[in-house]
Amino acid sequence: QQQVKQSPQSLIVQKGGISIINCAYENTAFDYFPWYQQFPGKGPALLIAIRPDVSEKKEGRFTISFNKSAKQFSLHIMDSQPGDSATYFCAASRQNYGGSQGNLIFGKGTKLSVKP
Amino acid sequence: GAGVSQSPSNKVTEKGKDVELRCDPISGHTALYWYRQSLGQGLEFLIYFQGNSAPDKSGLPSDRFSAERTGGSVSTLTIQRTQQEDSAVYLCASSLAGRGTTGELFFGEGSRLTVL
Repeated sequence: QQQVKQSPQSLIVQKGGISIINCAYENTAFDYFPWYQQFPGKGPALLIAIRPDVSEKKEGRFTISFNKSAKQFSLHIMDSQPGDSATYFCAASRQNYGGSQGNLIFGKGTKLSVKP
Repeated sequence: GAGVSQSPSNKVTEKGKDVELRCDPISGHTALYWYRQSLGQGLEFLIYFQGNSAPDKSGLPSDRFSAERTGGSVSTLTIQRTQQEDSAVYLCASSLAGRGTTGELFFGEGSRLTVL
């Protein structure tokens, strides 16, 4: 029930195309869904995050779509660029606003390559 | 520095030896996490410290793994009697916690452990 399943494992997209990465979770108590971006040799960094009270969040070329009933969420990268080539991780956690937060459970990652 | 600092960045050890990995979180961050990243396995949660609360050790893979956080700041992950399957990148992250915070994790660049 703690798993976050991510697909695809790898993705090749042409420059200017749309990259789509999907994630599914099982624990209905999860209430925070971030996406992290990781470049080789670096630690992951937060890209964008969503909470289940909205179905979509957009920041620049990056959009999260969230389907609470299906327990799925996805990352869309519009107008993909070679600089977007990285590994992307979805994650989920149950946040307790009383002061503590649960640990962040990550998917296995998607290696995105954007071809020029 | 302003970010999460980890040392050593690379460690090569022989099977059966003990290793210690160090993490300096961002000043003022009360939550600290250790994750393990193996090739193709995503980010595996190991342990989570939050303030003065008892740590969440639910992700530690065996009793050869332990971690401590002294004075609510620096953390050390210790692996005893290392095995070849312990070879991975060990990532530390810290975050602010509590009401009104975003839950964003700030990662270090990791310590790459190779067990021969």
